[in-house]
Amino acid sequence: DTAVSQTPKYLVTQMGNDKSIKCEQNLGHDTMYWYKQDSKKFLKIMFSYNNKELIINETVPNRFSPKSPDKAHLNLHINSLELGDSAVYFCASSQDVVAYNEQFFGPGTRLTVL
Amino acid sequence: AQTVTQSQPEMSVQEAETVTLSCTYDTSESDYYLFWYKQPPSRQMILVIRQEAYKQQNATENRFSVNFQKAAKSFSLKISDSQLGDAAMYFCASSYNQGGKLIFGQGTELSVKP
Repeated sequence: DTAVSQTPKYLVTQMGNDKSIKCEQNLGHDTMYWYKQDSKKFLKIMFSYNNKELIINETVPNRFSPKSPDKAHLNLHINSLELGDSAVYFCASSQDVVAYNEQFFGPGTRLTVL
Repeated sequence: AQTVTQSQPEMSVQEAETVTLSCTYDTSESDYYLFWYKQPPSRQMILVIRQEAYKQQNATENRFSVNFQKAAKSFSLKISDSQLGDAAMYFCASSYNQGGKLIFGQGTELSVKP
């Protein structure tokens, strides 16, 4: 059973398009995250949700809009895609917001903007 | 703001030997946590080991151990009896109780020679 799953795993699209990445966790966790890994492999937090409520928004452009319909899902919608959005996007979950908790990561979605 | 620095972009070790990956961090928080995550070529992020800053005893997980020097703000990872499967990108990360977000270092790519 996959603990944290993401769809799609690969996404190739044109500049200016709108796309969504879906994330689901079956661990019963309360907290979910989106991280971005750039071409130099640097990972940075984008958003965090706890019990469907946004708790972290790390100065991400407004073109990125997360949505959590329930505790098990955290989707990421991106409007007007730009070349600089090309990256691997990771979803993660943890039991709650306690900092010591292990975060379980999804397999990542490689987004390529042409 | 918290920062994490990994000064070794690449490291290499002979199979069955020991290797140490370096990490330094900066924080004004008194209560924080430190992690090492592994990212093999499959892209899957996996927790290797974690340390609570208030604990003086170094964490150990089988062949993996840390050398936590709180005053020096250093958190190195030692891998003993290196195996081919240890080849991966290793990320040092910190977290504190503000939503549980992980702050990552730049990563160290470890290769294991047979």
